[in-house]
Amino acid sequence: SQTIHQWPATLVQPVGSPLSLECTVEGTSNPNLYWYRQAAGRGLQLLFYSIGIDQISSEVPQNLSASRPQDRQFILSSKKLLLSDSGFYLCAWSWRDTSTDTQYFGPGTRLTVL
Amino acid sequence: GQQLNQSPQSMFIQEGEDVSMNCTSSSIFNTWLWYKQDPGEGPVLLIALYKAGELTSNGRLTAQFGITRKDSFLNISASIPSDVGIYFCAGRSYNTDKLIFGTGTRLQVFP
Repeated sequence: SQTIHQWPATLVQPVGSPLSLECTVEGTSNPNLYWYRQAAGRGLQLLFYSIGIDQISSEVPQNLSASRPQDRQFILSSKKLLLSDSGFYLCAWSWRDTSTDTQYFGPGTRLTVL
Repeated sequence: GQQLNQSPQSMFIQEGEDVSMNCTSSSIFNTWLWYKQDPGEGPVLLIALYKAGELTSNGRLTAQFGITRKDSFLNISASIPSDVGIYFCAGRSYNTDKLIFGTGTRLQVFP
């Protein structure tokens, strides 16, 4: 079976500090990978999605970036965090086969920028 | 970004009652998904729908893909306390390869 992991689970960072959130998927190959942000009490905002290594699309201009150094690893980064970067960050995966769109989410990372 | 219209925003019901929530879109969708999110956790898939008119059940949950392809609803029968959480719809239209998420329905169940 497939599993998706995110770490850390929670993070408190000062404004201006760097960020690195990691997501890994097990039990599948060549997944599509996604990063979402969820503000408190709000819906999901797609930040990045990737259909393969070094194939990453950005949905929202911002000070965040994403990388996919390995097939099942997706990393969300920032060089300098802003207060507005606080939120709940969710990684998700889906099958490469486009006949099914179902996305499966990780447990999330709660980021607080002070 | 684009979001689906999901209603109601919140519901406060008594244990044992039935629940109904829906999502509508201005464009035709070819996929509808329903997720539940518990506090501090990632959304968990409840039901996936891929055909217009499709009616699918998962235990006490039933969801339907609207005939017009522009809406979907989720029903929960005989609610229990563990049904508490936020329910999200999500869908994909023909002209995009990304899911669009609803704004969520927050469900509270009182004993």
